[in-house]
Formats: sequence, structure tokens, C-alpha cells
Amino acid sequence: SYELTQPPSVSVSPGQTARITCSGDALPKQYAYWYQQKPGQAPVLVIYKDSERPSGIPERFSGSSSGTTVTLTISGVQAEDEADYYCQSADSSGTYPNVVFGGGTKLTVL
Amino acid sequence: EVQLVQSGAEVKKPGESLKISCKGSGYSFTSYWIGWVRQMPGKGLEWMGIIYPGDSDTRYSPSFQGQVTISADKSISTAYLQWSSLKASDTAMYYCARVYGDYYYMDVWGKGTTVTVSS
Repeated sequence: SYELTQPPSVSVSPGQTARITCSGDALPKQYAYWYQQKPGQAPVLVIYKDSERPSGIPERFSGSSSGTTVTLTISGVQAEDEADYYCQSADSSGTYPNVVFGGGTKLTVL
Repeated sequence: EVQLVQSGAEVKKPGESLKISCKGSGYSFTSYWIGWVRQMPGKGLEWMGIIYPGDSDTRYSPSFQGQVTISADKSISTAYLQWSSLKASDTAMYYCARVYGDYYYMDVWGKGTTVTVSS
């Protein structure tokens, strides 16, 4: 199985841009997905297929991919964006889908 | 509205059995996989496995194979996660989620079921 690596924490001031990275050897071949989890709540999908945004997710959330690294960008960060963010990918080429989550990044809004 | 409603919190003793549930509504329950995800206290998300309610095809993460059983009853649009003999290390929040198509990402999540195993 493979791993996805995220920084444990990222801090930004309100109105600034937050960038959260996720690295993994399989990412050039597999899509990445991003989830936001606020304290005491279930995760919410914020980006799918590297850069697509589900309906209802604010435009300030965007995703990009370059080689073995994918990036979640939050432009004009707001206090309500403070949360844990997890990347996820999946390799379905084998007998069973190998679904992997990154370790999570805590976004602190200063 | 697409919803997954999970059963309530459970407190059990080591060695006891348990079955928690996840009821889907607002979509065709038999047309999407349902996945289960564990989150231990203060830790990250761990994928446990998935089931396709249409034909009960079930796949497990190697880490959870043999440790839990995933099942579904399509007649009542409900998926289950069960343990035959709980351990203290099973103490965690368990989420069910709708898994989208061939890409295996989770677009709708239940609110989670807290399982506490303590003597």
C-alpha cells in the first residue's frame, strides 16, 4: 500500500491564502480528494477529482495537482475555515480498492 | 436530500458483540457503495471497507479484514458494521459514507456513531 503525507499544521491570518499539500507516489496516476472536518463534526467533501468543487462549497476552496503533490488552496481564509483537512486517494486496480487517507492537517486561523 | 442516519452511541464491555447501523435515504441505496471509516480519539481517518448494497459485494481494508463484518439489508436501505468480540482498542467514532462510483471517494457522510469499550 502507499501513503499520503500532509503537514501536521498550517497557520494563516484571516484574509490570507492557505495552502495545504499532500504528497504520494501514486498521485500522478490517481485522483485526490479533500475533506474538511470541524471539531465534533463529520468530514465534508470539499474537493474531488483533484480540482472539482462540490455544489455548496465556497469558491475560495480550490485544488490543484502537480506530479506527486496535490494542493488544497483556501483563498481569503475565514475564521470558519479553521478545521482539520484530510486528503484521500484510491487505487482500484487490484482485487480490492486501496483507499488511503493522509494523516490530516490542522488549519489554524490566527 | 441525500442522508445517512447512523445509530446512537454505544458503551460496551470487552468481549461483547455489537452491530451499528447506517440508513440511507434520498437516493437509490442499491446504486452506490457504502463505506465505513474509523476515527480513534484525537486521530485521523482510517478506511475500513465498503459494501455494494445492490449485490452485497464487500471489500475490506487489510487492516480490518477479519476484525469486523460489513453487511447490508437493501430492503430497508441500511448498512451495518459489526464486531463479534470487542476490544478496548475498538473505542472510536465510526462513520458511514456514500462512496461515489469507481473513484472511491465519499461524497455524503453520516454523523458518526461513538463506540466506547471499557470494563
